Amino acid sequence: DGGITQSPKYLFRKEGQNVTLSCEQNLNHDAMYWYRQDPGQGLRLIYYSQIVNDFQKGDIAEGYSVSREKKESFPLTVTSAQKNPTAFYLCASKVAGRDNQPQHFGDGTRLSIL
Amino acid sequence: AQSVAQPEDQVNVAEGNPLTVKCTYSVSGNPYLFWYVQYPNRGLQFLLKYITGDNLVKGSYGFEAEFNKSQTSFHLKKPSALVSDSALYFCAVRDNNAGNMLTFGGGTRLMVKP
Repeated sequence: DGGITQSPKYLFRKEGQNVTLSCEQNLNHDAMYWYRQDPGQGLRLIYYSQIVNDFQKGDIAEGYSVSREKKESFPLTVTSAQKNPTAFYLCASKVAGRDNQPQHFGDGTRLSIL
Repeated sequence: AQSVAQPEDQVNVAEGNPLTVKCTYSVSGNPYLFWYVQYPNRGLQFLLKYITGDNLVKGSYGFEAEFNKSQTSFHLKKPSALVSDSALYFCAVRDNNAGNMLTFGGGTRLMVKP
């Protein structure tokens, strides 16, 4: 089955530590997205990529970094500069340039501070 | 600025009764509107979309939504609620002025009681 796989499901970060969240898709989608979800709030866009080797900042990019070296992979690094990283992180993908198509989501990674 | 509002944090309904989850939007140009559902500790699942055409859109699991241009609304409906419909529901609109990204509402928790 095609889909989006996020790992790990749960992640704990120590103070001053960088952690990387994995997102892999086998849907052959060009566009990929990272969102942050906090309780009682909607999704906020962190970074997105429309094509390999290119990515753009979203609304809340500070303290995060990404790479897009392969079409199927879009890892997110939560750096020590992100002072409030505890949240549920969702990765999504869709066909690029087709705004009438929905985004497909992974099952998320829940990040907590130790 | 384009935005989406879900005025109710929570909607309670008895099983078998009709349900409505409200969404209003503000966009420039023609709106592309989406509804997603999220179960606990899972990603978002696409339910339905309005792009153009018939104002009544039918989607997955018996859900439908009515696009009302004059009231700038896109309310989600179901004629007969099931306990298994209990989840978090998100309305989203394509943001024409932000690289065609999706802007999400804050979410509405639907509780269906037996």
